[in-house]
Amino acid sequence: DVKVTQSSRYLVKRTGEKVFLECVQDMDHENMFWYRQDPGLGLRLIYFSYDVKMKEKGDIPEGYSVSREKKERFSLILESASTNQTSMYLCASSLSPRVDEQYFGPGTRLTVT
Amino acid sequence: AQKVTQAQTEISVVEKEDVTLDCVYETRDTTYYLFWYKQPPSGELVFLIRRNSFDEQNEISGRYSWNFQKSTSSFNFTITASQVVDSAVYFCALSDPGSGAGSYQLTFGKGTKLSVIP
Repeated sequence: DVKVTQSSRYLVKRTGEKVFLECVQDMDHENMFWYRQDPGLGLRLIYFSYDVKMKEKGDIPEGYSVSREKKERFSLILESASTNQTSMYLCASSLSPRVDEQYFGPGTRLTVT
Repeated sequence: AQKVTQAQTEISVVEKEDVTLDCVYETRDTTYYLFWYKQPPSGELVFLIRRNSFDEQNEISGRYSWNFQKSTSSFNFTITASQVVDSAVYFCALSDPGSGAGSYQLTFGKGTKLSVIP
């Protein structure tokens, strides 16, 4: 079974802090994704990576950056957290980005105060 | 541009009733993939099914069934004899293998929250 893990289920940070959200998958998938989920807005793609050190912006990359130094690990970075980044963050991975299903981690509920 | 519409925001049914969740999609491509995911209260999205645009055969898996109709651009999901454990948010998604930036994306509908009342 594919397993995608995220470093924290719940996180509380202060405005202006630098925040790291970590995601690890154990199925040797090339592609990894970061989404945020907000009520009424559904899932929105922040960034994705199709290979180590490769990344592409999704729909809402502003205020975020990512890092993929190893195939199994994909990190989302909030350079200076703001209250409007309070959200549920979901990481996913897939074998092929267009054809195959994405497997999701349990999510990190981030609150920025 | 691709789009997925799940018109039903919330549905409540009594246990053992059948329920159908609607999904309508828009795409310009002839080759595409459709997905359904379940998000229980625990939060983790669980993959349920993938269907490619060339396979219009309906699928049944236990109490779950899916009806894919290209003529109406719909990919509806039916749960037969619903159970309390079916309570979740269900998402329909579309993968449109276009080109250029964004072609790796899954486009998700906004989700339908299903509540099954005992």
